Amino acid sequence: AQSVTQPDIHITVSEGASLELRCNYSYGATPYLFWYVQSPGQGLQLLLKYFSGDTLVQGIKGFEAEFKRSQSSFNLRKPSVHWSDAAEYFCAVLIRGNYGGSQGNLIFGKGTKLSVKP
Amino acid sequence: DTEVTQTPKHLVMGMTNKKSLKCEQHMGHRAMYWYKQKAKKPPELMFVYSYEKLSINESVPSRFSPECPNSSLLNLHLHALQPEDSALYLCASSQEAKTYGYTFGSGTRLTVV
Repeated sequence: AQSVTQPDIHITVSEGASLELRCNYSYGATPYLFWYVQSPGQGLQLLLKYFSGDTLVQGIKGFEAEFKRSQSSFNLRKPSVHWSDAAEYFCAVLIRGNYGGSQGNLIFGKGTKLSVKP
Repeated sequence: DTEVTQTPKHLVMGMTNKKSLKCEQHMGHRAMYWYKQKAKKPPELMFVYSYEKLSINESVPSRFSPECPNSSLLNLHLHALQPEDSALYLCASSQEAKTYGYTFGSGTRLTVV
Protein backbone atom coordinates (compact mmCIF):
# COMPACT_ATOMS: atom_id res chain seq x y z
CA ALA A 1 0.00 0.00 0.00
CA GLN A 2 1.12 3.51 -0.70
CA SER A 3 2.29 5.38 2.37
CA VAL A 4 4.55 8.09 3.71
CA THR A 5 6.49 7.75 6.93
CA GLN A 6 7.98 10.61 8.89
CA PRO A 7 9.82 8.90 11.74
CA ASP A 8 10.37 12.00 13.85
CA ILE A 9 7.28 13.41 15.56
CA HIS A 10 9.05 16.38 17.13
CA ILE A 11 12.49 17.88 16.54
CA THR A 12 14.10 20.77 18.39
CA VAL A 13 17.08 22.61 16.91
CA SER A 14 18.94 25.74 17.89
CA GLU A 15 18.61 28.81 15.73
CA GLY A 16 21.39 28.84 13.18
CA ALA A 17 21.89 25.08 13.33
CA SER A 18 21.34 22.79 10.37
CA LEU A 19 18.17 20.78 9.95
CA GLU A 20 17.23 17.49 8.36
CA LEU A 21 13.70 16.11 8.42
CA ARG A 22 13.29 12.53 7.33
CA CYS A 23 10.69 11.13 4.97
CA ASN A 24 10.32 7.61 3.58
CA TYR A 25 7.72 6.59 1.06
CA SER A 26 6.20 3.42 -0.25
CA TYR A 27 4.92 3.62 -3.81
CA GLY A 28 5.17 1.20 -6.71
CA ALA A 29 5.68 3.67 -9.52
CA THR A 30 7.92 6.71 -9.88
CA PRO A 31 6.83 8.89 -6.97
CA TYR A 32 5.81 12.50 -7.13
CA LEU A 33 6.93 13.88 -3.78
CA PHE A 34 6.24 17.09 -1.93
CA TRP A 35 7.11 18.89 1.27
CA TYR A 36 4.57 21.23 2.83
CA VAL A 37 4.82 23.48 5.88
CA GLN A 38 1.94 24.42 8.16
CA SER A 39 1.95 27.11 10.82
CA PRO A 40 -0.54 26.67 13.69
CA GLY A 41 -4.15 27.04 12.53
CA GLN A 42 -3.08 27.79 8.98
CA GLY A 43 -3.23 26.08 5.63
CA LEU A 44 -0.34 24.27 3.97
CA GLN A 45 2.35 26.00 1.96
CA LEU A 46 4.31 24.11 -0.66
CA LEU A 47 8.06 24.17 0.06
CA LEU A 48 9.30 22.04 -2.83
CA LYS A 49 8.48 19.11 -5.07
CA TYR A 50 10.11 16.31 -7.00
CA PHE A 51 8.76 14.45 -10.00
CA SER A 52 11.72 13.87 -12.28
CA GLY A 53 15.18 15.06 -13.18
CA ASP A 54 17.76 16.32 -10.72
CA THR A 55 17.38 14.45 -7.44
CA LEU A 56 18.40 17.49 -5.40
CA VAL A 57 15.59 20.00 -5.50
CA GLN A 58 15.59 23.55 -4.21
CA GLY A 59 12.58 25.14 -2.62
CA ILE A 60 11.46 28.32 -0.99
CA LYS A 61 12.79 29.75 2.27
CA GLY A 62 16.22 28.16 1.74
CA PHE A 63 15.00 24.55 1.94
CA GLU A 64 16.22 21.71 -0.23
CA ALA A 65 15.41 18.02 -0.44
CA GLU A 66 17.15 15.03 -1.95
CA PHE A 67 15.35 12.13 -3.59
CA LYS A 68 17.08 8.78 -3.08
CA ARG A 69 15.29 6.00 -4.90
CA SER A 70 17.49 3.27 -3.40
CA GLN A 71 16.47 4.35 0.10
CA SER A 72 12.88 5.37 -0.76
CA SER A 73 13.63 8.65 0.94
CA PHE A 74 13.01 12.32 0.35
CA ASN A 75 14.64 14.16 3.24
CA LEU A 76 14.26 17.88 3.76
CA ARG A 77 17.27 19.99 4.72
CA LYS A 78 18.15 23.53 5.61
CA PRO A 79 21.69 24.68 6.41
CA SER A 80 20.74 27.34 8.97
CA VAL A 81 17.40 27.38 10.76
CA HIS A 82 15.60 30.62 11.63
CA TRP A 83 13.13 31.05 14.49
CA SER A 84 10.38 31.64 11.90
CA ASP A 85 10.88 28.09 10.59
CA ALA A 86 9.13 26.68 13.68
CA ALA A 87 6.07 24.89 12.27
CA GLU A 88 4.72 21.48 11.28
CA TYR A 89 6.27 19.88 8.22
CA PHE A 90 4.48 17.32 6.09
CA CYS A 91 5.96 15.06 3.46
CA ALA A 92 3.47 13.85 0.84
CA VAL A 93 3.27 11.54 -2.17
CA LEU A 94 0.82 11.96 -5.02
CA ILE A 95 -1.15 8.79 -5.63
CA ARG A 96 -2.09 8.87 -9.27
CA GLY A 97 -5.03 7.17 -10.84
CA ASN A 98 -7.72 7.51 -13.41
CA TYR A 99 -9.29 10.47 -11.70
CA GLY A 100 -9.44 12.59 -14.80
CA GLY A 101 -6.44 14.44 -16.13
CA SER A 102 -3.33 14.22 -14.02
CA GLN A 103 -5.03 14.61 -10.68
CA GLY A 104 -4.80 12.23 -7.80
CA ASN A 105 -4.78 11.88 -4.07
CA LEU A 106 -2.08 13.57 -2.04
CA ILE A 107 -1.17 11.24 0.82
CA PHE A 108 0.52 12.89 3.77
CA GLY A 109 2.88 11.60 6.42
CA LYS A 110 1.95 12.24 10.04
CA GLY A 111 4.12 15.33 10.15
CA THR A 112 7.17 16.51 12.08
CA LYS A 113 6.83 19.42 14.46
CA LEU A 114 9.89 21.66 14.42
CA SER A 115 10.74 23.78 17.44
CA VAL A 116 13.57 26.32 17.31
CA LYS A 117 15.57 27.29 20.41
CA PRO A 118 16.96 30.82 20.60
CA ASP B 1 -4.14 35.77 -8.24
CA THR B 2 -2.29 32.74 -6.84
CA GLU B 3 -4.45 32.03 -3.83
CA VAL B 4 -7.20 29.74 -2.67
CA THR B 5 -9.65 31.69 -0.53
CA GLN B 6 -11.78 29.97 2.07
CA THR B 7 -14.67 31.48 4.01
CA PRO B 8 -15.51 31.64 6.79
CA LYS B 9 -12.24 31.27 8.69
CA HIS B 10 -14.05 30.10 11.81
CA LEU B 11 -17.47 28.51 12.22
CA VAL B 12 -19.32 27.29 15.28
CA MET B 13 -22.49 25.33 14.60
CA GLY B 14 -24.98 23.25 16.49
CA MET B 15 -25.73 19.67 15.60
CA THR B 16 -29.07 20.62 14.04
CA ASN B 17 -27.74 23.51 11.97
CA LYS B 18 -27.13 23.70 8.24
CA LYS B 19 -24.11 25.65 7.13
CA SER B 20 -21.81 25.88 4.12
CA LEU B 21 -18.10 26.31 3.63
CA LYS B 22 -16.92 28.18 0.56
CA CYS B 23 -13.74 27.92 -1.45
CA GLU B 24 -12.70 30.06 -4.41
CA GLN B 25 -9.72 30.15 -6.77
CA HIS B 26 -9.02 32.17 -9.89
CA MET B 27 -5.89 30.39 -11.09
CA GLY B 28 -7.72 28.41 -13.77
CA HIS B 29 -7.15 25.16 -11.90
CA ARG B 30 -9.51 22.42 -13.04
CA ALA B 31 -9.26 20.17 -9.99
CA MET B 32 -10.43 21.14 -6.52
CA TYR B 33 -10.29 19.21 -3.27
CA TRP B 34 -11.68 19.11 0.24
CA TYR B 35 -9.45 17.82 3.00
CA LYS B 36 -10.26 17.35 6.69
CA GLN B 37 -7.56 17.81 9.31
CA LYS B 38 -8.07 16.83 12.93
CA ALA B 39 -5.82 18.32 15.58
CA LYS B 40 -2.24 17.03 15.45
CA LYS B 41 -3.05 14.82 12.43
CA PRO B 42 -2.24 15.08 8.73
CA PRO B 43 -4.90 16.21 6.27
CA GLU B 44 -7.15 13.47 4.90
CA LEU B 45 -8.85 13.61 1.53
CA MET B 46 -12.64 13.91 1.47
CA PHE B 47 -13.62 14.85 -2.10
CA VAL B 48 -12.07 15.58 -5.46
CA TYR B 49 -13.70 17.53 -8.25
CA SER B 50 -12.16 17.36 -11.68
CA TYR B 51 -13.57 19.61 -14.39
CA GLU B 52 -16.52 20.39 -12.11
CA LYS B 53 -17.47 16.74 -11.72
CA LEU B 54 -17.13 14.74 -8.54
CA SER B 55 -14.41 12.18 -9.22
CA ILE B 56 -13.52 10.97 -5.73
CA ASN B 57 -15.61 10.58 -2.59
CA GLU B 58 -13.50 8.97 0.11
CA SER B 59 -16.45 7.30 1.85
CA VAL B 60 -17.47 10.54 3.51
CA PRO B 61 -20.75 10.52 5.49
CA SER B 62 -23.72 12.04 3.70
CA ARG B 63 -23.95 14.83 6.26
CA PHE B 64 -21.14 16.37 4.18
CA SER B 65 -22.33 17.37 0.72
CA PRO B 66 -19.92 18.92 -1.78
CA GLU B 67 -20.92 21.14 -4.66
CA CYS B 68 -18.95 22.67 -7.52
CA PRO B 69 -21.12 25.39 -9.12
CA ASN B 70 -18.39 26.43 -11.57
CA SER B 71 -14.69 26.00 -12.20
CA SER B 72 -13.72 28.61 -9.62
CA LEU B 73 -15.99 27.72 -6.75
CA LEU B 74 -16.26 24.76 -4.41
CA ASN B 75 -18.74 24.49 -1.57
CA LEU B 76 -19.11 22.04 1.27
CA HIS B 77 -22.62 21.87 2.69
CA LEU B 78 -22.90 20.70 6.28
CA HIS B 79 -25.98 19.26 7.95
CA ALA B 80 -26.58 17.37 11.21
CA LEU B 81 -22.91 17.23 12.09
CA GLN B 82 -21.49 15.55 15.15
CA PRO B 83 -18.97 16.99 17.64
CA GLU B 84 -16.33 14.61 16.23
CA ASP B 85 -16.63 16.46 12.92
CA SER B 86 -14.91 19.44 14.52
CA ALA B 87 -11.72 19.99 12.54
CA LEU B 88 -9.87 22.25 10.13
CA TYR B 89 -11.36 21.92 6.66
CA LEU B 90 -8.91 22.67 3.92
CA CYS B 91 -9.66 23.38 0.31
CA ALA B 92 -7.03 22.92 -2.38
CA SER B 93 -6.77 23.24 -6.12
CA SER B 94 -4.37 22.02 -8.78
CA GLN B 95 -3.74 22.10 -12.47
CA GLU B 96 -1.00 19.61 -13.17
CA ALA B 97 -0.67 18.14 -9.69
CA LYS B 98 2.54 16.25 -10.38
CA THR B 99 4.27 19.36 -11.68
CA TYR B 100 2.97 22.07 -9.45
CA GLY B 101 1.48 20.33 -6.45
CA TYR B 102 -1.64 21.53 -4.76
CA THR B 103 -2.36 25.09 -3.63
CA PHE B 104 -4.11 25.07 -0.27
CA GLY B 105 -6.34 27.64 1.33
CA SER B 106 -5.88 28.66 4.94
CA GLY B 107 -8.84 26.56 6.02
CA THR B 108 -12.06 26.86 7.97
CA ARG B 109 -11.85 25.98 11.64
CA LEU B 110 -15.17 24.22 12.36
CA THR B 111 -16.47 23.57 15.85
CA VAL B 112 -19.63 21.51 16.30
CA VAL B 113 -21.37 22.01 19.65
